[in-house]
Amino acid sequence: ETGVTQSPTHLIKTRGQQVTLRCSSQSGHNTVSWYQQALGQGPQFIFQYYREEENGRGNFPPRFSGLQFPNYSSELNVNALELDDSALYLCASRAGGVSDTQYFGPGTRLTVL
Amino acid sequence: GDSVTQMEGPVTLSEEAFLTINCTYTATGYPSLFWYVQYPGEGLQLLLKATKADDKGSNKGFEATYRKETTSFHLEKGSVQVSDSAVYFCALSDNFGNEKLTFGTGTRLTIIP
Repeated sequence: ETGVTQSPTHLIKTRGQQVTLRCSSQSGHNTVSWYQQALGQGPQFIFQYYREEENGRGNFPPRFSGLQFPNYSSELNVNALELDDSALYLCASRAGGVSDTQYFGPGTRLTVL
Repeated sequence: GDSVTQMEGPVTLSEEAFLTINCTYTATGYPSLFWYVQYPGEGLQLLLKATKADDKGSNKGFEATYRKETTSFHLEKGSVQVSDSAVYFCALSDNFGNEKLTFGTGTRLTIIP
């Protein structure tokens, strides 16, 4: 059973650019969530997708958007990057039942210059 | 809204010392509670969880008991090892359908030989 994988591992962008981060869910998991972890802070919930539909969103602006594909892999897109978007972006997947455990990937470290 | 408050770090202990990391929460309803651990350069790993009042989660010598009366979920270990050095996050899940996790700010633990 493969775990949650994310790509790329590291990424450097400049302010105003757009970025796409990718996540492959753990086998059998149909729900994926994205979190932003700023340096020295706990992760903050961005949004969740269940069967290709957004199913909950945190306090993030619309320039943060996502997709979930039929194979349950997922993308996080961020437009008009700002310096404060520099963070570790974590993807988590779960099987979809109530109280199911979320399993996290290793994250993508985004640096915005 | 939901929130998690955990013990400020960093915490430095000698090997074989007793560990307590305090965590309290504010939530509506009946959340599930979690401890996640993050080793340097890695994503989050689930350490233990409890889904209802008075449940005790345990793993790798770590324990935490869901105390509804004090809204707490303190992490304990009787004898820490150097390999336990990491950042520990307390989190809750609202169990209202999207299962988003709300995290504390994390406690950095360093164990010295």
